[in-house]
Amino acid sequence: AQTVTQSQPEMSVQEAETVTLSCTYDTSENNYYLFWYKQPPSRQMILVIRQEAYKQQNATENRFSVNFQKAAKSFSLKISDSQLGDTAMYFCAFLFTGTASKLTFGTGTRLQVTL
Amino acid sequence: SQTIHQWPATLVQPVGSPLSLECTVEGTSNPNLYWYRQAAGRGLQLLFYSVGIGQISSEVPQNLSASRPQDRQFILSSKKLLLSDSGFYLCASLRRERNEQFFGPGTRLTVL
Repeated sequence: AQTVTQSQPEMSVQEAETVTLSCTYDTSENNYYLFWYKQPPSRQMILVIRQEAYKQQNATENRFSVNFQKAAKSFSLKISDSQLGDTAMYFCAFLFTGTASKLTFGTGTRLQVTL
Repeated sequence: SQTIHQWPATLVQPVGSPLSLECTVEGTSNPNLYWYRQAAGRGLQLLFYSVGIGQISSEVPQNLSASRPQDRQFILSSKKLLLSDSGFYLCASLRRERNEQFFGPGTRLTVL
């Protein structure tokens, strides 16, 4: 069974600054996918970024990038030039296609962007 | 592109009453579908998933059941609601070409 751990329940960052959210996971599988989802106050789950485990290159989507360390089973999210609209819960998630592509979620990090 | 509809958006039900939440998907065929529950201030817990019509897998024993009567319809039900069934229920569909799940807008259920 896979587990996902987010050790930072809450974080705060000033507007325009950079923040990094941590995530570690545990699996015995070799090919899998990792995701960061954002959940704003509307509670809609929005996919932020996706990483394929067999790709060494870290994924990037505009101001969002990841640091994927497969050997260490670490998958952190860096948000650059933070904006007020980035205020949300952020969930790290693991997907293995061999189990009907179910997602295993971490407990989330609440990010507050301040002026 | 795929679109997920969930209704109702908000529901307040008394303890012991029945429940039916509906999820429909547009823009794809034969999707994997998933029901998640999110308790207040907590992460998402997978309740059920379905890989095809009539095929339901349960992740946790509970007061709820799921059905998939049509290819793009996924229903979450209960015969008698408990207080502990309160939460935010999210339906998700798998984009197979990218192996990623995307979510519907959710239903907020309050059991009084």
